[in-house]
Amino acid sequence: EAQVTQNPRYLITVTGKKLTVTCSQNMNHEYMSWYRQDPGLGLRQIYYSMNVEVTDKGDVPEGYKVSRKEKRNFPLILESPSPNQTSLYFCASRTLAGVPYEQYFGPGTRLTVT
Amino acid sequence: DAKTTQPPSMDCAEGRAANLPCNHSTISGNEYVYWYRQIHSQGPQYIIHGLKNNETNEMASLIITEDRKSSTLILPHATLRDTAVYYCIVRVVGSSGGSNYKLTFGKGTLLTVNP
Repeated sequence: EAQVTQNPRYLITVTGKKLTVTCSQNMNHEYMSWYRQDPGLGLRQIYYSMNVEVTDKGDVPEGYKVSRKEKRNFPLILESPSPNQTSLYFCASRTLAGVPYEQYFGPGTRLTVT
Repeated sequence: DAKTTQPPSMDCAEGRAANLPCNHSTISGNEYVYWYRQIHSQGPQYIIHGLKNNETNEMASLIITEDRKSSTLILPHATLRDTAVYYCIVRVVGSSGGSNYKLTFGKGTLLTVNP
């Protein structure tokens, strides 16, 4: 089954404690992306990657890092989380060919930073 | 990207057709109309897209007006599981550059299907 998986699905942590949210897709997609969703602000893109070792900032990259060492994985790293990073996070992927803009989203990771 | 306008909420009776409108009066000739939906706190799900012609797939139909300034997503027989926020997105296809693949979600329409 074609899918994007994220782990963990729920995470409560404290300010400053480094964490990683993993994202993996099994569709051999070149493009992967991270979004955060906040009430009243909608979905905003954090980082994206066009392929292995190619990453770039989205609209709200401050406080986040990413890496793309393998095509299937695109982890989101918060090196020193702060309460304003409490949010619902989604990973997405798509091929750079085929149906335009059919992006596949993961189930989401709800992060709470206290 | 062309801006879209959708009603904030709509209701529909189970088994009836749900017609969700979207205005995109500033759409340009090379911009497609896409629809996604998000069931409560789940990841957004692609539904359908179109350029000029009406489109249909197993999930829905998309009707685009001749002047392309508005469109309607039709769920022919809505079920309770179709309760979700529906997003209409207008975007250029085929543009190069990674930032151009970003999806910009507005506030969407909360469709509530009632038993």
